[in-house]
Amino acid sequence: GAVVSQHPSWVICKSGTSVKIECRSLDFQATTMFWYRQFPKQSLMLMATSNEGSKATYEQGVEKDKFLINHASLTLSTLTVTSAHPEDSSFYICSASVDRGTEAFFGQGTRLTVV
Amino acid sequence: AQKITQTQPGMFVQEKEAVTLDCTYDTSDPSYGLFWYKQPSSGEMIFLIYQGSYDQQNATEGRYSLNFQKARKSANLVISASQLGDSAMYFCAMSPENFGNEKLTFGTGTRLTIIP
Repeated sequence: GAVVSQHPSWVICKSGTSVKIECRSLDFQATTMFWYRQFPKQSLMLMATSNEGSKATYEQGVEKDKFLINHASLTLSTLTVTSAHPEDSSFYICSASVDRGTEAFFGQGTRLTVV
Repeated sequence: AQKITQTQPGMFVQEKEAVTLDCTYDTSDPSYGLFWYKQPSSGEMIFLIYQGSYDQQNATEGRYSLNFQKARKSANLVISASQLGDSAMYFCAMSPENFGNEKLTFGTGTRLTIIP
């Protein structure tokens, strides 16, 4: 399958700071990327869908001003957690697909800890 | 809205035995896709198997098979001849399309532990 890489794999940041997570499709062009969040011992919840060159579509209850998503190129989407707080500590994982309706491949995830 | 229910928070199975992980779903979409993923402790999501709602036959992938009962809205995963490396979290998920795995709705998962 295709390779999706996330960076960093884990990050610790201070409360009130912002942190950026990158999701890259290494060997294909991803028109659409998806961002999920997984709290400890819970399931993955879709946060938003990003399409290259357009604004992201956020799921209900997800604060778009807090979780900034940029999909500036066909191989890179970024998720920025702004003014992070301890309750934002979670496992963030992205997936990427060539086009709508095609298989999406997952990155390895990023574990964010806000202290 | 779509909903996935996994009623087994954890399971312990003897090595080499078969194991069935339960999954029921609810959706009003006429077509949909059902997926199973494995998540080891490292966190990555490993795709195991896919079943389209209009597929007549149950999906199989090596030691994995999906017992799809559309009328009962169930999509149980069967792992034959379990191995120690099968120990992980297993998530059932569905998408609103009959192909592709975008916009997945996940269940709460089942932690499978294989006992030597």
